[in-house]
Amino acid sequence: DQQVKQNSPSLSVQEGRISILNCDYTNSMFDYFLWYKKYPAEGPTFLISISSIKDKNEDGRFTVFLNKSAKHLSLHIVPSQPGDSAVYFCAARWNSGNTPLVFGKGTRLSVIA
Amino acid sequence: KAGVTQTPRYLIKTRGQQVTLSCSPISGHRSVSWYQQTPGQGLQFLFEYFSETQRNKGNFPGRFSGRQFSNSRSEMNVSTLELGDSALYLCASRPLTSGGRETQYFGPGTRLLVL
Repeated sequence: DQQVKQNSPSLSVQEGRISILNCDYTNSMFDYFLWYKKYPAEGPTFLISISSIKDKNEDGRFTVFLNKSAKHLSLHIVPSQPGDSAVYFCAARWNSGNTPLVFGKGTRLSVIA
Repeated sequence: KAGVTQTPRYLIKTRGQQVTLSCSPISGHRSVSWYQQTPGQGLQFLFEYFSETQRNKGNFPGRFSGRQFSNSRSEMNVSTLELGDSALYLCASRPLTSGGRETQYFGPGTRLLVL
């Protein structure tokens, strides 16, 4: 039973345009969400997070939106750069951090120059 | 601050052997979690240790075990290796303060190949 789903295995975007990565979840108890970026042969790197009490969090070129009623979150990258090409993982946690992070299977983003 | 370190980075074993992987968390981080990443499966949670005690466990067979030492360093062990155990094994640490709204930081991983 996959609690965190990233339904698009891959996404291609032109440099300078917006990249939108989507994530759906089924567990309504999730109260904290994170996005990680992963390059080959490296561990995931934390990008941005959002608490369930918010619906938007912004950090530079990265913005995460949370729609609790739809159990959906998205990561927007504007403008996209070739260095953003990586696999992006959505992750979620509940019970105030007493449970482990649950990850989606990832979306491979390719930013084309 | 130094990041999460994992050793070895690469490992080749044969079926039936056992393997031990090591993880040193970020200084001050008392929680260490282990994940397995295989192609198309994302990151699957193995277990989490805090203060030398396992506090969460994923859905993996008993061949997978771990432990944490008093300095927060952690090891995971896989016995009787199977071909399907070939994966990237990732360790992550966090401070584990109250509230849980904290980031988990990952090491570079150990790539295990079972032949």
